[in-house]
Amino acid sequence: AAGVIQSPRHLIKEKRETATLKCYPIPRHDTVYWYQQGPGQDPQFLISFYEKMQSDKGSIPDRFSAQQFSDYHSELNMSSLELGDSALYFCASSLGVFQETQYFGPGTRLLVL
Amino acid sequence: KNEVEQSPQNLTAQEGEFITINCSYSVGISALHWLQQHPGGGIVSLFMLSSGKKKHGRLIATINIQEKHSSLHITASHPRDSAVYICAVRSGQWGSGGGADGLTFGKGTHLIIQP
Repeated sequence: AAGVIQSPRHLIKEKRETATLKCYPIPRHDTVYWYQQGPGQDPQFLISFYEKMQSDKGSIPDRFSAQQFSDYHSELNMSSLELGDSALYFCASSLGVFQETQYFGPGTRLLVL
Repeated sequence: KNEVEQSPQNLTAQEGEFITINCSYSVGISALHWLQQHPGGGIVSLFMLSSGKKKHGRLIATINIQEKHSSLHITASHPRDSAVYICAVRSGQWGSGGGADGLTFGKGTHLIIQP
């Protein structure tokens, strides 16, 4: 069965650079969630989208933005990168929002030097 | 903000033992997830609970909504079960669904099953 696809899987950037992470949900899933997991930390919710509209917002820094496109894929844009942004970024998708299981992608590991 | 507590934080057991991991949360939720994360980092959704009990193979998950508590059990544990098990909750009124609310995660339980 198709799973959530994230690209790239690994990314190395320098401080103050920008990065774009992409998430392709499971086919027919209309809801996407972004999570950030720092080294040794539990994942933290960043932002979610349902039917191409922002649905919920967590601890997403102002330097980050995200959107969901007409094909339901989502992109997380990160600007003015800081060392502390080094983390594993997970995307999850679900079909609808009502108590639906979230299926997680493999994550994008971002290292900021 | 919902507080999610898991216990134990670390657990080492012998192959074949029955494993129990506990999760408690502080405020009402609309869903509770049990997730598995392997050393490589990938997260796998094991269960999403709305009430009662669910079973999948050697894994059993239960939830008591009144007591705000859930347990994950592993029967006949095997070294390949070694992973971090994470309880995550979606806050909100039970059954309300609401919007695409993000999950609040517990700190995870590091499980090692020795042969």
